[in-house]
Amino acid sequence: EDQVTQSPEALRLQEGESSSLNCSYTVSGLRGLFWYRQDPGKGPEFLFTLYSAGEEKEKERLKATLTKKESFLHITAPKPEDSATYLCAVQGLETSGSRLTFGEGTQLTVNP
Amino acid sequence: DAGVIQSPRHEVTEMGQEVTLRCKPISGHDYLFWYRQTMMRGLELLIYFNNNVPIDDSGMPEDRFSAKMPNASFSTLKIQPSEPRDSAVYFCASSLGRRQPQHFGDGTRLSIL
Repeated sequence: EDQVTQSPEALRLQEGESSSLNCSYTVSGLRGLFWYRQDPGKGPEFLFTLYSAGEEKEKERLKATLTKKESFLHITAPKPEDSATYLCAVQGLETSGSRLTFGEGTQLTVNP
Repeated sequence: DAGVIQSPRHEVTEMGQEVTLRCKPISGHDYLFWYRQTMMRGLELLIYFNNNVPIDDSGMPEDRFSAKMPNASFSTLKIQPSEPRDSAVYFCASSLGRRQPQHFGDGTRLSIL
C-alpha cells in the first residue's frame, strides 16, 4: 500500500523567510510524485510533477526536488500570497492505474 | 480555458434524502476522478473512470454511493440514502492520460443534517 507523510503539519513564516516542506513516501515503484496547492474553499491546484530521483522543477518562488524516499518543496523569499495548504501525492507502479495517494498536507502561513 | 465544473457548490439536506453531485470535466480529458475530503481522513479517491468506463471503485464507502458517467462531458455521484457521516467536501478531477496531473474542480460542500 502506498503511503505519504508530510511534515510539518503547519508552518508559519515571516515574509522573505525561506523554508522547505517535506513529503516522505513509500511506494512499490514510483510512477510520479505530484505537488498541489489548496486555498480555502477551493480545489487543489496542480504545481509540479516529478518522475525520477534527482529531478527538480521550479516555478516562481517554489522549487520541488525528489529523492528515492522523499520530496522537498523549497519556498524562497515567500510572500503572504503563498499562504495555502500544500499537498503531496504519489502514483505507484503497482497501484490501480491512475490512483493517487495524498498526504495530509502542510498548512503554510506567511505573515507580512 | 474552462476548468472542471462542479455543481452545486454547497448542499445541505436531511438524513435519508438522495443527494446528486455533478461534474463536467475539462474538454478532451479521458480520465475522471471523484474524491472526498474530510479533516479526519484527508483527500480520498472514491472512484475513477477512463473513457466513461468505471475502472476502480474500491474507494466507494458503501452501496449507498454510486457514480455514473453517461458521456465524456458529464458525471454524477449519488448518495442514497444520505447519512450525517457523509458530510464532507466532494471533489471531481480530470486528466488527459494516465500519468498526467489531475485538475480539480472547486468541490461540493455537502452537509447532511
